[in-house]
Amino acid sequence: AQSVTQLGSHVSVSEGALVLLRCNYSSSVPPYLFWYVQYPNQGLQLLLKYTSAATLVKGINGFEAEFKKSETSFHLTKPSAHMSDAAEYFCAVSDNQAGTALIFGKGTTLSVSS
Amino acid sequence: DAGVTQSPTHLIKTRGQQVTLRCSPKSGHDTVSWYQQALGQGPQFIFQYYEEEERQRGNFPDRFSGHQFPNYSSELNVNALLLGDSALYLCASSPPGPGPSVSEQYFGPGTRLTVT
Repeated sequence: AQSVTQLGSHVSVSEGALVLLRCNYSSSVPPYLFWYVQYPNQGLQLLLKYTSAATLVKGINGFEAEFKKSETSFHLTKPSAHMSDAAEYFCAVSDNQAGTALIFGKGTTLSVSS
Repeated sequence: DAGVTQSPTHLIKTRGQQVTLRCSPKSGHDTVSWYQQALGQGPQFIFQYYEEEERQRGNFPDRFSGHQFPNYSSELNVNALLLGDSALYLCASSPPGPGPSVSEQYFGPGTRLTVT
């Protein structure tokens, strides 16, 4: 069975500081991995995805993530935080076949202070 | 190009009642998935519809049922509502295959269901 663990339910950074949100996955097959962002009272927006191509994936809004098979990790980073990055972030996994469910982590709330 | 749309935005129901939520997928998408997101939690997969049939189902009771129409839109029905069904219900659509893009799911804004 697949699962996702997001380490740290809350992360606080200062504006301009590095953002690092951690995600570890468990999968019996090569996974597809995703990061989504959710702003208050809104749905989820896809930030980036890993689908077995390049291990360093660049997404929207300056975010990127690196797939590390040996560490079963897919951590999300951004070099310089902006106030508008404050939101809930979810890591998700599915297997590499069409029509499968996304399994989400519990989420990490990112706070950005000025 | 309209994204995924859901209706209604908010809904208040009483225990024991039945509810129907609606979803229109993103243009060009043929697969619709439904998720339940309880407060402070990540979304949980309910089921997925493709070619008007339920293709995959999560760990939800039979009180949760769905339907997909020929135009790919979908409905989620919940019978005999419980207080614990209060949540944000999210619909997501996926593009047709082949290729890894079929794994991408694009979410609507959700329907907030409150059961009293």
